[in-house]
Amino acid sequence: QKEVEQNSGPLSVPEGAIASLNCTYSDRGSQSFFWYRQYSGKSPELIMFIYSNGDKEDGRFTAQLNKASQYVSLLIRDSQPSDSATYLCAVNRDDKIIFGKGTRLHILP
Amino acid sequence: DVKVTQSSRYLVKRTGEKVFLECVQDMDHENMFWYRQDPGLGLRLIYFSYDVKMKEKGDIPEGYSVSREKKERFSLILESASTNQTSMYLCASSPRGGEEVGSYEQYFGPGTRLTVT
Repeated sequence: QKEVEQNSGPLSVPEGAIASLNCTYSDRGSQSFFWYRQYSGKSPELIMFIYSNGDKEDGRFTAQLNKASQYVSLLIRDSQPSDSATYLCAVNRDDKIIFGKGTRLHILP
Repeated sequence: DVKVTQSSRYLVKRTGEKVFLECVQDMDHENMFWYRQDPGLGLRLIYFSYDVKMKEKGDIPEGYSVSREKKERFSLILESASTNQTSMYLCASSPRGGEEVGSYEQYFGPGTRLTVT
């Protein structure tokens, strides 16, 4: 089982709709969870981090964590064409971070 | 804002050359990391460092070495570049983690796209 799994996509979402990105992880001992956005040819940019079960909101972004199900998600409300990118889920393994391979998101104008 | 800089955005080297990739961060972070990113393989950790003069192997250290002489600077060295080391190289830094969070968020530099011919 891969440590961090994401659907590679592409996930196509109409402009203005909610984009839902999902991630599962294998290590029950993981404590910190991250979402990064990566535009083509650019480096990953941190969007959000979450440490506790439940929801964490920041502007149009909401991260959701369910440790019992080993599941992390990212919701993007009012999706914009500029949200089109690859989204990387990342989970700590001790004091390192393990990255998923990312989900490509395409916002349809 | 955290700033991580890398010495080159693009680099072209010949097989067998020794290659130095430099990374500097300005946030006094204890931890620094080197990754490579390849299509279909995602981000893979090469080496990391928790402190000056300390280094730890990541998942794919073969063919690479590192140096951390100062807290803000972490160098990746390709002793004898090979074509299979053609890749995007990304440096990142983070504060030291703790018992409750394991690892804090990492901040990435702009990347160096290395081509070995």
